[in-house]
Amino acid sequence: DAKTTQPTSMDCAEGRAANLPCNHSTISGNEYVYWYRQIHSQGPQYIIHGLKNNETNEMASLIITEDRKSSTLILPHATLRDTAVYYCIVRVTGTYKYIFGTGTRLKVLA
Amino acid sequence: DTAVSQTPKYLVTQMGNDKSIKCEQNLGHDTMYWYKQDSKKFLKIMFSYNNKELIINETVPNRFSPKSPDKAHLNLHINSLELGDSAVYFCASSQVDRGGTTGELFFGEGSRLTVL
Repeated sequence: DAKTTQPTSMDCAEGRAANLPCNHSTISGNEYVYWYRQIHSQGPQYIIHGLKNNETNEMASLIITEDRKSSTLILPHATLRDTAVYYCIVRVTGTYKYIFGTGTRLKVLA
Repeated sequence: DTAVSQTPKYLVTQMGNDKSIKCEQNLGHDTMYWYKQDSKKFLKIMFSYNNKELIINETVPNRFSPKSPDKAHLNLHINSLELGDSAVYFCASSQVDRGGTTGELFFGEGSRLTVL
């Protein structure tokens, strides 16, 4: 079973920041938080991951709360091409298993 | 060059038939996976191989048999196809670093299987 819960869907205006929350209240100390997205029916695409520090890359920022029980993926300037299902995943260090939850369907509106 | 490639992209077949889906990755990764995405869009892990050895085998019917001839290839053979096997099957790969940590997954474009 997935160890994360996410809102089913969200809308965001084009050009604004999209903030996608994820709850992982049962996360353990050695478990990473990963974010992927799936555009239409393409293969899921890696976005970013983190353990306890906030992370930023060219696609997004990841903010992890101090207690690590929740995180937020931020797309700073959402475009129409960011419309996708966003998955938040918790993966145990040293294991190969990524368990996907139901994800958040983000719709970016013109 | 496509990093993780699957063939065929579309497969339509009758119940009871046997079919295979092939996957190849040119990323030099050690680990490969098969995921199934059903009509409700749930992505469920089925199998994983690391250096040709099976390391994850979820509760999948034994009609499904993965085979990894080398670490760049992971094929999925399905016997006696059933209606419920209709889904999109995604292959993925990842690399294990020196510390034993598995990196991010790279997915193929999927193979849509329709069983009539």
